[in-house]
Parts: sequence; structure tokens; C-alpha cells
Amino acid sequence: SQQGEEDPQALSIQEGENATMNCSYKTSINNLQWYRQNSGRGLVHLILIRSNEREKHSGRLRVTLDTSKKSSSLLITASRAADTASYFCATDSNRDDKIIFGKGTRLHILP
Amino acid sequence: KAGVTQTPRYLIKTRGQQVTLSCSPISGHRSVSWYQQTPGQGLQFLFEYFSETQRNKGNFPGRFSGRQFSNSRSEMNVSTLELGDSALYLCASSLGSRGEGEKLFFGSGTQLSVL
Repeated sequence: SQQGEEDPQALSIQEGENATMNCSYKTSINNLQWYRQNSGRGLVHLILIRSNEREKHSGRLRVTLDTSKKSSSLLITASRAADTASYFCATDSNRDDKIIFGKGTRLHILP
Repeated sequence: KAGVTQTPRYLIKTRGQQVTLSCSPISGHRSVSWYQQTPGQGLQFLFEYFSETQRNKGNFPGRFSGRQFSNSRSEMNVSTLELGDSALYLCASSLGSRGEGEKLFFGSGTQLSVL
């Protein structure tokens, strides 16, 4: 079963615009991660945010975490064509110690 | 450091057959996790092995099994294949220590097609 659910399922924006993706989850977590997957390939880790953190930055990426709402958001600023990919959130539940992924958001950057 | 290696890259089988997929983790990583990815269900957790022991298991039937060897390499086996087993099977390795937050390193996957 899915722990995280990303929203929207798909997103198309113009190059240079900002892209925001959201993730909601169900149970208490130790941390939350975001991964990127280019078509048909393995996932690449982007950023990890711990349950006691509220915001984290890495280059053009900004992640927020609201544990009271059980939600996270990933912001990609100044998008580029190379950002076209699927983005997944993954939660490390403190209940069963598994790392569970959502279904992902497909991001398409238009030239 | 070499990345996570999965073999084979592509596999075509027929219903009723069995299949074995292989995963070589990053050197020094003791945990190997397996995921099944399909368009409709996203990534579904299959199981995790740590130091040759199954540490966690997802909600898959007993036809799906795995093992880990002393060098941390892992194999997963699917017996009596069904059409619905067609998927991209992803392996991910990690150090195995949950305390500080576990970053997973993924292989490119094995694309299994069941005819």
C-alpha cells in the first residue's frame, strides 16, 4: 500500500517557471525524501528532510515538511528542460521501518 | 565507486515460468531493497535484506522471494509467472543504518515482460 501520495499526478510548465509538487502521507515518519526518475531508469535521491526539520534547500530545490498536516512540498525554481522527469516522495515510517514511495508526479518542462 | 548493478536489463518470459533477477549493491552497503514499479501502482515495496536476513517484507504473494549472499549481492525470484508480474523491478542499496535517515541508491532496473 502507498504511504505517500503526490499531487498533482502530472504537471506541465514553461521553462524558467517554478514547479511545485506536494506529498501527503498517513503515519508518523522519521524522515521524508524526494527522488527523481528519468524515463524507465532508476531513481536518484534529491533531498532528505527529517521529522524535526521544517524546510531544507539544495541548489534550486526547496523542500518543506509539515508534520501536523502530514504533508511535504518540493519546489523546483527556474525550471530547465533537464528537470523533465517523475518525482517521488518516500517516507521512512517509525512504525514499520520500511521506505515507502508514492505514485509520483510527472513533470514536463516545455521549451 | 561502482553504482548498483542489476542484471539482466530486459527479460521476456511466458506465464508459468520462473525468473531470477540479480542485484549487486554499492561496495560497503549491507542493505538491499527490492521494488516493483508498474504504471498503475507506482513503486511497491517487495522486501529488504540486511546482512543476509530479510528485515522487511511487503504485501506480495509467496511466489515472490529473495535472498542475500555474504557479499551483500541479492537475488529475487518470481515463480509461476503471471501476466500481472510484468513490471520494472528496481533494486536499491543502502548502508542499512536507519537512525540518521537512509538514502537509497537505485540500479537501472530489470524490465520484465510476461507473455
